[in-house]
Amino acid sequence: EAGVTQFPSHSVIEKGQTVTLRCDPISGHDNLYWYRRVMGKEIKFLLHFVKESKQDESGMPNNRFLAERTGGTYSTLKVQPAELEDSGVYFCASSQDLGFDNEQFFGPGTRLTVL
Amino acid sequence: SQKIEQNSEALNIQEGKTATLTCNYTNYSPAYLQWYRQDPGRGPVFLLLIRENEKEKRKERLKVTFDTTLKQSLFHITASQPADSATYLCALGSGGSYIPTFGRGTSLIVHP
Repeated sequence: EAGVTQFPSHSVIEKGQTVTLRCDPISGHDNLYWYRRVMGKEIKFLLHFVKESKQDESGMPNNRFLAERTGGTYSTLKVQPAELEDSGVYFCASSQDLGFDNEQFFGPGTRLTVL
Repeated sequence: SQKIEQNSEALNIQEGKTATLTCNYTNYSPAYLQWYRQDPGRGPVFLLLIRENEKEKRKERLKVTFDTTLKQSLFHITASQPADSATYLCALGSGGSYIPTFGRGTSLIVHP
């Protein structure tokens, strides 16, 4: 069974540019999560989709970040315009069911560097 | 404010010994605590979950304890192997939340 995949693995852009990250969850997983780890800090939650609906977006830092999950399959996270402080590793995770005892499977992450 | 503390210094041990990692928290009453393993360039991998009413959980060579009085969890790897070298993250969550709050992790290095 394929795991969670993310694309690209690395992205280097200049401040002010736009970047779109993609996440493909494990097939059949309705729940999809985005997290971010800024250098030297802990992994922090950004948002959670249940199928195509945003269940919780309390962790989104500001309106420069836009997440979508059209059709309830893969998800994209767009940063527009990117700022220096957006640099970090963006992780996507998916789970079959909801609940703290339902394991979230993480992707390898996308390392974003904003120059 | 809520705080999760894991030792920022790497833990170096010899193969075969027991590795013990600590997770302390303050201003938090978690309903559950999770431990993850993370290898360089990879995402976290879930290892174990322990609930607030559980004192200890075991899985193969792994053992987790949860002391809500001390506000601490200990993560043990017995008979450690070089392949156990990785960063280990603890994560806490409240009863109404399925989104855990992560610590920064502790690096474990097992020397052959």
